[in-house]
Amino acid sequence: GAVVSQHPSRVICKSGTSVKIECRSLDFQATTMFWYRQFPKQSLMLMATSNEGSKATYEQGVEKDKFLINHASLTLSTLTVTSAHPEDSSFYICSASSGVTGSNQPQHFGDGTRLSIL
Amino acid sequence: QQPVQSPQAVILREGEDAVINCSSSKALYSVHWYRQKHGEAPVFLMILLKGGEQKGHEKISASFNEKKQQSSLYLTASQLSYSGTYFCGTEGREGAQKLVFGQGTRLTINP
Repeated sequence: GAVVSQHPSRVICKSGTSVKIECRSLDFQATTMFWYRQFPKQSLMLMATSNEGSKATYEQGVEKDKFLINHASLTLSTLTVTSAHPEDSSFYICSASSGVTGSNQPQHFGDGTRLSIL
Repeated sequence: QQPVQSPQAVILREGEDAVINCSSSKALYSVHWYRQKHGEAPVFLMILLKGGEQKGHEKISASFNEKKQQSSLYLTASQLSYSGTYFCGTEGREGAQKLVFGQGTRLTINP
Protein backbone atom coordinates (compact mmCIF):
# COMPACT_ATOMS: atom_id res chain seq x y z
CA GLY A 1 0.00 0.00 0.00
CA ALA A 2 0.80 3.73 0.08
CA VAL A 3 1.83 4.08 -3.53
CA VAL A 4 2.52 7.48 -5.02
CA SER A 5 2.80 7.83 -8.77
CA GLN A 6 4.64 10.76 -10.33
CA HIS A 7 4.66 11.61 -14.04
CA PRO A 8 6.52 12.22 -16.18
CA SER A 9 9.74 10.64 -14.96
CA ARG A 10 11.85 12.72 -17.28
CA VAL A 11 11.28 15.88 -19.27
CA ILE A 12 13.56 17.67 -21.67
CA CYS A 13 12.27 20.92 -23.11
CA LYS A 14 13.31 24.26 -24.46
CA SER A 15 13.79 27.36 -22.39
CA GLY A 16 10.61 29.39 -22.04
CA THR A 17 8.16 26.52 -22.06
CA SER A 18 5.97 25.43 -19.17
CA VAL A 19 6.10 21.95 -17.73
CA LYS A 20 3.43 20.21 -15.67
CA ILE A 21 4.29 17.39 -13.25
CA GLU A 22 1.57 15.20 -11.76
CA CYS A 23 1.62 13.47 -8.40
CA ARG A 24 -1.06 10.91 -7.60
CA SER A 25 -1.73 8.83 -4.50
CA LEU A 26 -3.00 5.53 -5.89
CA ASP A 27 -4.33 3.70 -2.87
CA PHE A 28 -4.92 6.30 -0.18
CA GLN A 29 -6.32 9.78 0.21
CA ALA A 30 -3.58 12.35 0.52
CA THR A 31 -4.73 15.22 2.66
CA THR A 32 -1.32 16.81 2.33
CA MET A 33 1.17 16.73 -0.50
CA PHE A 34 4.67 18.12 -0.58
CA TRP A 35 6.92 19.18 -3.43
CA TYR A 36 10.68 18.94 -3.12
CA ARG A 37 13.65 19.82 -5.26
CA GLN A 38 16.83 17.78 -5.06
CA PHE A 39 20.20 18.65 -6.54
CA PRO A 40 22.75 15.88 -7.20
CA LYS A 41 24.07 14.34 -4.02
CA GLN A 42 22.19 16.85 -1.91
CA SER A 43 19.26 16.83 0.45
CA LEU A 44 15.57 17.20 -0.23
CA MET A 45 14.66 20.88 -0.22
CA LEU A 46 10.99 21.53 0.46
CA MET A 47 9.41 23.89 -2.03
CA ALA A 48 5.81 23.92 -0.90
CA THR A 49 3.12 22.15 1.08
CA SER A 50 -0.34 21.76 -0.34
CA ASN A 51 -3.60 20.69 1.26
CA GLU A 52 -6.54 19.57 -0.81
CA GLY A 53 -8.76 22.48 -1.71
CA SER A 54 -6.44 25.10 -0.26
CA LYS A 55 -3.72 27.34 -1.59
CA ALA A 56 -0.24 25.94 -1.29
CA THR A 57 2.15 27.20 1.34
CA TYR A 58 5.49 28.04 -0.23
CA GLU A 59 8.85 28.00 1.48
CA GLN A 60 10.87 31.16 1.67
CA GLY A 61 12.62 31.92 -1.56
CA VAL A 62 10.33 29.83 -3.76
CA GLU A 63 8.52 31.91 -6.37
CA LYS A 64 4.79 31.27 -6.29
CA ASP A 65 4.25 32.52 -9.82
CA LYS A 66 7.09 30.39 -11.09
CA PHE A 67 6.07 27.14 -9.48
CA LEU A 68 2.30 26.79 -9.62
CA ILE A 69 0.83 24.12 -7.39
CA ASN A 70 -2.70 22.78 -7.60
CA HIS A 71 -4.16 20.20 -5.23
CA ALA A 72 -7.62 19.77 -6.67
CA SER A 73 -8.47 16.41 -5.15
CA LEU A 74 -7.38 14.06 -2.38
CA THR A 75 -5.43 12.00 -4.88
CA LEU A 76 -3.86 14.52 -7.24
CA SER A 77 -1.49 17.45 -7.00
CA THR A 78 0.27 19.14 -9.88
CA LEU A 79 3.35 21.31 -10.10
CA THR A 80 3.71 23.54 -13.12
CA VAL A 81 7.06 25.14 -13.80
CA THR A 82 6.21 28.21 -15.82
CA SER A 83 8.54 29.78 -18.37
CA ALA A 84 11.24 27.30 -17.45
CA HIS A 85 14.90 28.28 -17.74
CA PRO A 86 18.10 26.19 -17.52
CA GLU A 87 18.50 27.06 -13.83
CA ASP A 88 15.19 25.29 -13.17
CA SER A 89 16.75 22.01 -14.26
CA SER A 90 16.64 19.67 -11.32
CA PHE A 91 15.11 16.54 -9.82
CA TYR A 92 11.62 17.27 -8.50
CA ILE A 93 9.99 14.83 -6.08
CA CYS A 94 6.51 14.85 -4.60
CA SER A 95 5.34 13.13 -1.47
CA ALA A 96 1.93 12.49 0.00
CA SER A 97 0.65 11.99 3.50
CA SER A 98 -2.73 10.81 4.66
CA GLY A 99 -2.65 12.90 7.80
CA VAL A 100 -1.18 15.91 9.40
CA THR A 101 2.48 15.22 9.99
CA GLY A 102 2.84 14.45 13.63
CA SER A 103 0.04 11.95 13.72
CA ASN A 104 2.32 9.00 12.95
CA GLN A 105 1.73 9.30 9.24
CA PRO A 106 4.81 9.08 7.03
CA GLN A 107 5.35 10.81 3.75
CA HIS A 108 5.27 8.51 0.75
CA PHE A 109 7.37 9.65 -2.16
CA GLY A 110 6.87 9.50 -5.88
CA ASP A 111 9.71 8.36 -8.14
CA GLY A 112 10.63 11.91 -9.06
CA THR A 113 10.82 13.88 -12.28
CA ARG A 114 14.14 14.81 -13.82
CA LEU A 115 13.64 18.12 -15.57
CA SER A 116 16.21 19.34 -18.10
CA ILE A 117 15.78 22.75 -19.69
CA LEU A 118 17.86 23.39 -22.79
CA GLN B 1 16.91 24.86 10.48
CA GLN B 2 18.44 21.84 8.79
CA PRO B 3 19.41 18.96 11.11
CA VAL B 4 22.99 17.76 10.93
CA GLN B 5 23.70 14.15 10.09
CA SER B 6 26.90 12.30 10.87
CA PRO B 7 28.85 10.72 9.42
CA GLN B 8 28.46 12.11 5.92
CA ALA B 9 29.52 8.81 4.43
CA VAL B 10 30.43 5.35 5.64
CA ILE B 11 31.74 2.25 3.92
CA LEU B 12 31.14 -1.16 5.47
CA ARG B 13 31.60 -4.77 4.66
CA GLU B 14 28.54 -6.94 4.61
CA GLY B 15 27.66 -8.03 8.14
CA GLU B 16 29.14 -5.02 9.91
CA ASP B 17 27.15 -2.56 11.99
CA ALA B 18 26.63 1.16 11.49
CA VAL B 19 25.18 4.09 13.41
CA ILE B 20 23.90 7.26 11.77
CA ASN B 21 23.19 10.30 13.90
CA CYS B 22 20.82 13.20 13.34
CA SER B 23 21.12 16.29 15.53
CA SER B 24 19.06 19.43 15.72
CA SER B 25 19.68 22.77 17.39
CA LYS B 26 15.93 23.15 17.97
CA ALA B 27 13.40 21.17 19.95
CA LEU B 28 11.91 18.29 18.02
CA TYR B 29 8.49 16.71 18.02
CA SER B 30 9.33 13.81 15.75
CA VAL B 31 12.07 12.35 13.60
CA HIS B 32 11.44 10.45 10.36
CA TRP B 33 14.02 8.22 8.68
CA TYR B 34 14.19 7.47 4.96
CA ARG B 35 16.53 5.61 2.64
CA GLN B 36 17.09 6.68 -0.95
CA LYS B 37 18.88 4.63 -3.57
CA HIS B 38 20.49 6.38 -6.51
CA GLY B 39 17.91 7.64 -8.98
CA GLU B 40 15.00 6.40 -6.91
CA ALA B 41 12.46 7.85 -4.51
CA PRO B 42 13.14 7.95 -0.78
CA VAL B 43 11.60 5.01 1.06
CA PHE B 44 10.09 5.41 4.50
CA LEU B 45 11.79 3.49 7.32
CA MET B 46 10.27 4.68 10.58
CA ILE B 47 8.95 7.57 12.65
CA LEU B 48 9.97 8.33 16.21
CA LEU B 49 7.99 10.66 18.43
CA LYS B 50 9.32 12.53 21.43
CA GLY B 51 9.45 10.41 24.53
CA GLY B 52 12.74 8.68 23.95
CA GLU B 53 11.23 5.72 22.23
CA GLN B 54 13.11 3.20 20.21
CA LYS B 55 11.77 1.39 17.23
CA GLY B 56 12.89 -1.54 15.19
CA HIS B 57 12.46 -2.56 11.58
CA GLU B 58 14.07 -5.93 10.83
CA LYS B 59 17.73 -5.26 11.58
CA ILE B 60 17.30 -1.52 11.43
CA SER B 61 16.29 0.32 14.59
CA ALA B 62 16.35 3.86 15.84
CA SER B 63 16.20 5.90 19.02
CA PHE B 64 15.12 9.45 19.77
CA ASN B 65 16.46 11.48 22.67
CA GLU B 66 14.32 14.61 22.82
CA LYS B 67 16.45 16.18 25.55
CA LYS B 68 19.52 15.97 23.34
CA GLN B 69 17.43 16.76 20.25
CA GLN B 70 19.07 13.82 18.60
CA SER B 71 18.09 10.62 16.88
CA SER B 72 20.27 7.68 15.93
CA LEU B 73 19.67 5.00 13.32
CA TYR B 74 21.23 1.60 13.96
CA LEU B 75 21.93 -0.87 11.18
CA THR B 76 22.88 -4.30 12.47
CA ALA B 77 24.60 -7.01 10.43
CA SER B 78 24.29 -4.88 7.33
CA GLN B 79 23.19 -6.39 4.05
CA LEU B 80 24.08 -5.30 0.53
CA SER B 81 20.52 -4.02 0.13
CA TYR B 82 21.12 -1.47 2.89
CA SER B 83 23.31 0.61 0.59
CA GLY B 84 21.94 4.04 -0.18
CA THR B 85 21.65 7.51 1.28
CA TYR B 86 19.87 7.82 4.59
CA PHE B 87 17.99 11.00 5.42
CA CYS B 88 16.47 12.08 8.69
CA GLY B 89 13.54 14.48 8.53
CA THR B 90 12.66 16.49 11.60
CA GLU B 91 9.43 18.07 12.72
CA GLY B 92 9.62 20.90 15.21
CA ARG B 93 6.11 20.73 16.55
CA GLU B 94 3.01 18.60 16.26
CA GLY B 95 1.00 19.58 13.25
CA ALA B 96 3.88 21.40 11.57
CA GLN B 97 2.96 19.60 8.36
CA LYS B 98 6.46 19.64 7.01
CA LEU B 99 9.80 17.96 7.54
CA VAL B 100 13.24 19.48 7.35
CA PHE B 101 15.68 16.93 5.99
CA GLY B 102 19.32 16.50 6.91
CA GLN B 103 22.01 16.52 4.28
CA GLY B 104 22.07 12.73 4.14
CA THR B 105 24.50 9.94 5.01
CA ARG B 106 25.77 7.83 2.15
CA LEU B 107 26.13 4.20 3.17
CA THR B 108 28.05 1.77 0.98
CA ILE B 109 28.00 -1.94 1.79
CA ASN B 110 30.64 -4.03 0.08
CA PRO B 111 30.61 -7.84 -0.17
